[in-house]
Amino acid sequence: NAGVTQTPKFQVLKTGQSMTLQCAQDMNHNSMYWYRQDPGMGLRLIYYSASEGTTDKGEVPNGYNVSRLNKREFSLRLESAAPSQTSVYFCASSESPSTDTQYFGPGTRLTVL
Amino acid sequence: GQQLNQSPQSMFIQEGEDVSMNCTSSSIFNTWLWYKQDPGEGPVLLIALYKAGELTSNGRLTAQFGITRKDSFLNISASIPSDVGIYFCAGSRNTGNQFYFGTGTSLTVIP
Repeated sequence: NAGVTQTPKFQVLKTGQSMTLQCAQDMNHNSMYWYRQDPGMGLRLIYYSASEGTTDKGEVPNGYNVSRLNKREFSLRLESAAPSQTSVYFCASSESPSTDTQYFGPGTRLTVL
Repeated sequence: GQQLNQSPQSMFIQEGEDVSMNCTSSSIFNTWLWYKQDPGEGPVLLIALYKAGELTSNGRLTAQFGITRKDSFLNISASIPSDVGIYFCAGSRNTGNQFYFGTGTSLTVIP
């Protein structure tokens, strides 16, 4: 039982490049989330998926797209990376949108040059 | 977006000392959560609070939901080296709604 896994762990991109961050959970959770964490700031919600087949914008969605591939997997795509997207990205999951306990993955550290 | 202010920003304490930190918001929240993040890891939920005035413990940790609903407090008693990490608060206005996270309190425990 791995919980929430994220790949890759580290990534360096050049401005304008694209990439997809992968997230998977094995807890049969319905809801999944993508956050970014910047120095001196709390986690900010980028997008979330309350259930399979649905996605909604969070606080900072600009520059990102998401895909809820199936119940287990929720990916985050940067179409044209910008230096302002340098951050640590965390995926999380919860049983449902109304469940407060969110389980977080280990994070992906992304640098955009 | 909504930002929660946590204080202090960082703490350096001796092993065995008690620790207090707090989190304040300009908005009323109906749920408060406290997380701990170890270096290189994702946050882990410590305590959840659902009612104004509520006091909840988890081992040496005790958290309180402020009466005004605009603040919350976390205390750690008799600190140990493994308490080192960053502590985050998070608040939500309604069940199922987005959580807003605080800026974090970095705790260092000196053996």
